[in-house]
Amino acid sequence: QSVLTQPPSASETPGQRVTISCSGSGSNVGTNYVYWYQQLPGTAPKLLIYMNNQRPSGVPDRFSGSKSGTSASLAISGLRSEDEADYYCAAWDDSLSGMLFGGGTKLTVL
Amino acid sequence: QVQLQESGPGLVKPSETLSLTCTVSGGSITNYYWSWIRQPPGKGLEWIGYIYYSGRTSTSYNPSLKSRVTISLDTSKRQFSLKLNSMTAADTAVYYCVRGGYYFDYWGQGTLVTISS
Repeated sequence: QSVLTQPPSASETPGQRVTISCSGSGSNVGTNYVYWYQQLPGTAPKLLIYMNNQRPSGVPDRFSGSKSGTSASLAISGLRSEDEADYYCAAWDDSLSGMLFGGGTKLTVL
Repeated sequence: QVQLQESGPGLVKPSETLSLTCTVSGGSITNYYWSWIRQPPGKGLEWIGYIYYSGRTSTSYNPSLKSRVTISLDTSKRQFSLKLNSMTAADTAVYYCVRGGYYFDYWGQGTLVTISS
């Protein structure tokens, strides 16, 4: 069981907005940056959001990240079929002195 | 464009040691963090550890794997390596080499390692 808690699944129709939550604690999300990764089927993960809310070059502004206290969220607006993927949050944990990943959220675009 | 390529055996016997190498091209291997991350079939991601070199080497390992893991780096070959000993079926996973220690911006394609006799 992951220390960073994500819903196992989420779904929404094309064009709509979906949010994926990531719940942690004071030693990880509450203290350190949160990162988000997108893993399309059969491929390696891709960095989607870094330092809570920054997008790497090439990531559409439909993707946005936010953090409040010990929780973080990834929002995807204007959903497209190609957004169907697994999404993982990650944060460094000061107590464990290690990087933690959430369990992942499988997004289905209906 | 930075590219990473894992190499190593796809099949390891129980109790043996896994050795994987990652070759880095298209960028410097010094002054960056380099990590190994694994993903059991159908499951989530697990950070194994990182190495950083800028004249001196520093490493950090997942506490749950620390007793079994060694990550090393060879600047002359632009490679970094993973050794994981006392392998069991629970170590069956796709192993990724990645650039970064706190966030991961370049990933190898991953290599499936199966533990079986």
